[in-house]
Amino acid sequence: SAVISQKPSRDICQRGTSLTIQCQVDSQVTMMFWYRQQPGQSLTLIATANQGSEATYESGFVIDKFPISRPNLTFSTLTVSNLSPEDSSIYLCSVVYRVGETQYFGPGTRLLVL
Amino acid sequence: AQSVAQPEDQVNVAEGNPLTVKCTYSVSGNPYLFWYVQYPNRGLQFLLKYITGDNLVKGSYGFEAEFNKSQTSFHLKKPSALVSDSALYFCAVRGQNKLIFGAGTRLAVHP
Repeated sequence: SAVISQKPSRDICQRGTSLTIQCQVDSQVTMMFWYRQQPGQSLTLIATANQGSEATYESGFVIDKFPISRPNLTFSTLTVSNLSPEDSSIYLCSVVYRVGETQYFGPGTRLLVL
Repeated sequence: AQSVAQPEDQVNVAEGNPLTVKCTYSVSGNPYLFWYVQYPNRGLQFLLKYITGDNLVKGSYGFEAEFNKSQTSFHLKKPSALVSDSALYFCAVRGQNKLIFGAGTRLAVHP
């Protein structure tokens, strides 16, 4: 299995501010993803983080709101910008070591926006 | 388009009894199917997957799942439930290198 860490594990933020979440993996992975899990809901894919290039966003998610970086094969960040209470969710990093293999998830970052 | 349905919001079972959490899917081509579990205040943990081969797949914590192509189902099962199995369970299908999740089923195992 994978060793995936996320920082912070939780945060409380004021509306209008931004939060950057870090995802660190124990070894190089081919694919990294960011998911959102709204309260009581399933997981929704935000984007695929591409190493050295712009992330690939899913319908309904835009770079201005969710800028993503992936400078190397073990690290990625997700920023949630201009926060509103509707952004209160769990944000999960997910990785695949080799294409076609199992997708693993980090412990998540719990965000509460006041 | 690929999709996954988990028809039950919640499943209640007594400890020691067998449990089943249902999942049906819709995909074009061969399905790659997964089960994950989410304990309170935790991330998702991988339980098992079906890619090809035997229809009965064994996974972590004594769980297994049965792939049924004709019924397009991938139900999660365990012969004897434990109170510690109480959690949120997600079925997922891989499409275009992305996982598509069902809505989730909350399993409650009562002593």
